[in-house]
Amino acid sequence: ETGVTQSPTHLIKTRGQQVTLRCSSQSGHNTVSWYQQALGQGPQFIFQYYREEENGRGNFPPRFSGLQFPNYSSELNVNALELDDSALYLCASSPRGRGVRETQYFGPGTRLLVL
Amino acid sequence: KQEVTQIPAALSVPEGENLVLNCSFTDSAIYNLQWFRQDPGKGLTSLLLIQSSQREQTSGRLNASLDKSSGRSTLYIAASQPGDSATYLCAVIGANSKLTFGKGITLSVRP
Repeated sequence: ETGVTQSPTHLIKTRGQQVTLRCSSQSGHNTVSWYQQALGQGPQFIFQYYREEENGRGNFPPRFSGLQFPNYSSELNVNALELDDSALYLCASSPRGRGVRETQYFGPGTRLLVL
Repeated sequence: KQEVTQIPAALSVPEGENLVLNCSFTDSAIYNLQWFRQDPGKGLTSLLLIQSSQREQTSGRLNASLDKSSGRSTLYIAASQPGDSATYLCAVIGANSKLTFGKGITLSVRP
């Protein structure tokens, strides 16, 4: 069974640029959530996708957007990058079909640095 | 708005000590509570999941308890080892399926 994978592992961008981060969910999981973790902080919920539709969003501006594909993999897109977007971006998958009580499984994250 | 607090932010103990990590949350309307481990610069590893109807869960040297009415959870680590050194995060999940995390407790176990 393959776990949650994310790409790339590290990324350096400059302010104003756009970035796309990718996540492949664990086999059998149809729900993907994205989190942003700034240094020294706990992860903050960005949004969740369930069967290709957005299913909840945290307190992030519209320049954070996402997609989920038919194979349940997902992308996080961030436009007009700001310095404060520098963080570890984590993707988590879960089999939401069994309800919200399931464990969420996290990928290794993508470290984004905005200069 | 749900808030999760973990105090202290850091803890250093000698090897072999039993220890308790605390987590508190403000809204008792949760579906479950999950404890994670995070090594420096890495993703999160799930340690234990306690559903709202449960009082505790155990896995090896780890035991987690949940008291919904008082908004508290504890993670007990028995016979700590240097390999247990990491940041431990607790998170609660509510009706909207999102995890709300504390800032974590950074544990250092000295040989």
